[in-house]
Amino acid sequence: DIQMTQSPSSLSASVGDRVTITCQASRDIDNFLNWYQQKAGKAPKLLIYDASNLAVGVPSRFSGSGSGTDFTFTISSLQPEDIATYYCQQYDTVLALSFGGGTKVEIK
Amino acid sequence: QVHLLQSGPEVTKPGASVKVSCKISGHSLSETAIQWVRQTPAKGLEWMGGFDPEDDNIVYAQKFQGSVTMTQDTTTDTAYMEMKSLRPEDTAVYYCAKLAVEEAGPGVDALDIWGQGTMVTVSS
Repeated sequence: DIQMTQSPSSLSASVGDRVTITCQASRDIDNFLNWYQQKAGKAPKLLIYDASNLAVGVPSRFSGSGSGTDFTFTISSLQPEDIATYYCQQYDTVLALSFGGGTKVEIK
Repeated sequence: QVHLLQSGPEVTKPGASVKVSCKISGHSLSETAIQWVRQTPAKGLEWMGGFDPEDDNIVYAQKFQGSVTMTQDTTTDTAYMEMKSLRPEDTAVYYCAKLAVEEAGPGVDALDIWGQGTMVTVSS
């Protein structure tokens, strides 16, 4: 099984700050990496698929990059409504998904 | 607009079974690849399995093989996830979600529409 290591587990930043989260795969996963936002008490929401493609309706301040084993998720200018936990999720050539441990983003 | 509506919360005892439903609206279940994901404080988000559109089969994560059965009723556009021999550590929020085939294309296993979640509590 592919293990996903996400860091940091939590962070605190000010409104307007650039926020970066990383996700590392235990082996090469090409660009098979998605990112989700989960607000308290809600289901996760897809933000980015295939490492860098923005899902429909997602603000452009969210972005993703990377391939192989190392991936980055960025919020270019943190907004109050971005308070949430963010998860990476990898998939394989056969149907098998796994999630990172999550990063809780708070406002300083 | 595609919407997934799950059944309500369940409280059950160790050793019992539970069956969670997920009704799709705004789309046909026969054209939708429903997946099941659970969330616990200890393990986070875990993919349990789901419909594989590439070979028209239900696929289970190894951890859940033998204890979980996923079925689909295309006449009512409802997917089901049944879990047996429940243990307290199976206490979790269970989600159904669909693969983002329309947006991301076939072969991209991202989950774009999620149900609201069903809380299952296993306690004696």
